[in-house]
Amino acid sequence: EPEVTQTPSHQVTQMGQEVILRCVPISNHLYFYWYRQILGQKVEFLVSFYNNEISEKSEIFDDQFSVERPDGSNFTLKIRSTKLEDSAMYFCASSPLGGTEAFFGQGTRLTVV
Amino acid sequence: AQTVTQSQPEMSVQEAETVTLSCTYDTSESDYYLFWYKQPPSRQMILVIRQEAYKQQNATENRFSVNFQKAAKSFSLKISDSQLGDAAMYFCAYRSGGGNKLVFGAGTILRVKS
Repeated sequence: EPEVTQTPSHQVTQMGQEVILRCVPISNHLYFYWYRQILGQKVEFLVSFYNNEISEKSEIFDDQFSVERPDGSNFTLKIRSTKLEDSAMYFCASSPLGGTEAFFGQGTRLTVV
Repeated sequence: AQTVTQSQPEMSVQEAETVTLSCTYDTSESDYYLFWYKQPPSRQMILVIRQEAYKQQNATENRFSVNFQKAAKSFSLKISDSQLGDAAMYFCAYRSGGGNKLVFGAGTILRVKS
């Protein structure tokens, strides 16, 4: 069964460093998303991406965040200068054109120290 | 803006028994979708069941069913014949019919006792 895959599963980074979280969505899907879950809290929408551009973003997704689809298979989230409060589980998700549900990856746990 | 409320931070159920998790939402839209996602200790988000707002019939997936009350804006999840593997955090989520992003509730931790 096709699935969304995310790498790495866990990343530890120094405050102020740049990190790139990688995702490979399901191959025939056209909508891509990033969500964040701070430990013990609800899952929060960050950004959605369609047709090579951001279709919607939340107030969390400020200038330190960016997304990119560098090739036909990968979808990345970059955090330019990490802060302690960026420590969270980051989920990538994808959905097909006309599809109603999003399929989630297993998440990347980001720890900023 | 749409909001999703899960008023039960934690629930417990005996193995083989039935449990109902509550969810209410607030929206002015008539076209939307509702979902229940399961998050086991592995932290993966797994879709359990979905409901289209235009459908009056409650969705069912094996041991999982929903009670969708559109007028009351209520969307509860019933798990029958609970199993140890059902222990997880359960999130209720809303998606606008014209949008793509999911709005999640705070989650309910379900514990299953053997």
